[in-house]
Amino acid sequence: EDQVTQSPEALRLQEGESSSLNCSYTVSGLRGLFWYRQDPGKGPEFLFTLYSAGEEKEKERLKATLTKKESFLHITAPKPEDSATYLCAVQARNSGYALNFGKGTSLLVTP
Amino acid sequence: GAVVSQHPSRVICKSGTSVKIECRSLDFQATTMFWYRQFPKQSLMLMATSNEGSKATYEQGVEKDKFLINHASLTLSTLTVTSAHPEDSSFYICSVRRTGSMNTEAFFGQGTRLTVV
Repeated sequence: EDQVTQSPEALRLQEGESSSLNCSYTVSGLRGLFWYRQDPGKGPEFLFTLYSAGEEKEKERLKATLTKKESFLHITAPKPEDSATYLCAVQARNSGYALNFGKGTSLLVTP
Repeated sequence: GAVVSQHPSRVICKSGTSVKIECRSLDFQATTMFWYRQFPKQSLMLMATSNEGSKATYEQGVEKDKFLINHASLTLSTLTVTSAHPEDSSFYICSVRRTGSMNTEAFFGQGTRLTVV
């Protein structure tokens, strides 16, 4: 059975304090791994898609990396506006278009 | 701009009544849309896959007679929660992906907060 586990559940950082969020996955044939940002009471907002081990993508202060077992979302010098829940999702080759989500990491960045 | 429009964003209904949630794909035609449910501090759980012009595909444990899905056009899918009960209170989110390509991001609506009293 496909599984997606995110850690930590919650993370509190001071502004400028870099850190990483982890997404460990078990899937029968990875088609893609997705990172989303979700603000309270809103739908998820797309950040990145990674398809193969070794792939990296960057966007502003965020950088996503992928290995065969896990993905990291690195946040460099975060700002308070980066506070949100970050969701990881995987798409298996036999799952059609559906995504399997982790529970997310709730990030709070304080000034 | 928004790719997916979901309406309403919040709804409060009495126990036993039905509630309809609409999901519109604004940028492209979507033969497939997805409905998710999210409880507080939990992940998004796929409820069903909505297929234009045919029956929806429901995930295990989701009652198809309780959560009616209609995908009558290439840009609109609706989820109706029938005979709602307090345990149906949750955050419902729809999603669309460009068909014809498996490797594209999913776009999500803004979600609907359903409270059954």
